[in-house]
Amino acid sequence: QLQLQESGPGLAKPSETLSLTCTVSGASITDSNYHWGWIRLPPGKGLEWIANIYYTGITYYSPSLKSRVTISVDTSKSHFSLKVTSVAAADTAVYYCVRYAHGYVDDWGQGTLVTVSS
Amino acid sequence: QSALTQPASVSGSPGQSITISCTGTSNDVGGYNSVSWYQQHPGKAPKLMIFDVTNRPSGVSYRFSGSKSGNTASLTISWLQTEDEADYYCSSYTSSVTYVFGTGTKVTVL
Repeated sequence: QLQLQESGPGLAKPSETLSLTCTVSGASITDSNYHWGWIRLPPGKGLEWIANIYYTGITYYSPSLKSRVTISVDTSKSHFSLKVTSVAAADTAVYYCVRYAHGYVDDWGQGTLVTVSS
Repeated sequence: QSALTQPASVSGSPGQSITISCTGTSNDVGGYNSVSWYQQHPGKAPKLMIFDVTNRPSGVSYRFSGSKSGNTASLTISWLQTEDEADYYCSSYTSSVTYVFGTGTKVTVL
């Protein structure tokens, strides 16, 4: 049974860099049938797709966040990570790490709340 | 890319059917059969309800069905039940090799 577990600080200061990690267990992060990604849910708003990565390191980014976001994968540790630079209050959200099958999310982490505040 | 357009809220009584629309463009919904639907209860992670426009994952009730016409996809919930009260989001693959979500719809069971 696949498990996705987000980890990272729950609080970030404006202008800082936010770093989150998703640990994958119960399945292989190098399975060629899947991509791995991040989606967020700001309070009172809708879901927003952030980025995806394939185990080979091929990346895909949301055009609106591309300039501030980096997604990476470490297959030896079976985890993938997200960095968001120059965070602001608008980056406050529950961040979910996910597994993408062919065009849809078939598994979600429980989510981690990140608050941007001084 | 702009979010797909969904109605903010839809309501119905138990036993009724409701339909949620999801409108995009020919660069996303209209151009690909990669439309999916997710149900999210408060404080919980979203759950996949429909993938590839019409397909139901194992374990999802037959009461949930999906369709698409042109640039608009739809999710129909038949025989509405109290546990169906949740937020629903559509999502589509896009021509930019990205994904986009809908604005979200709050379903209320009266």
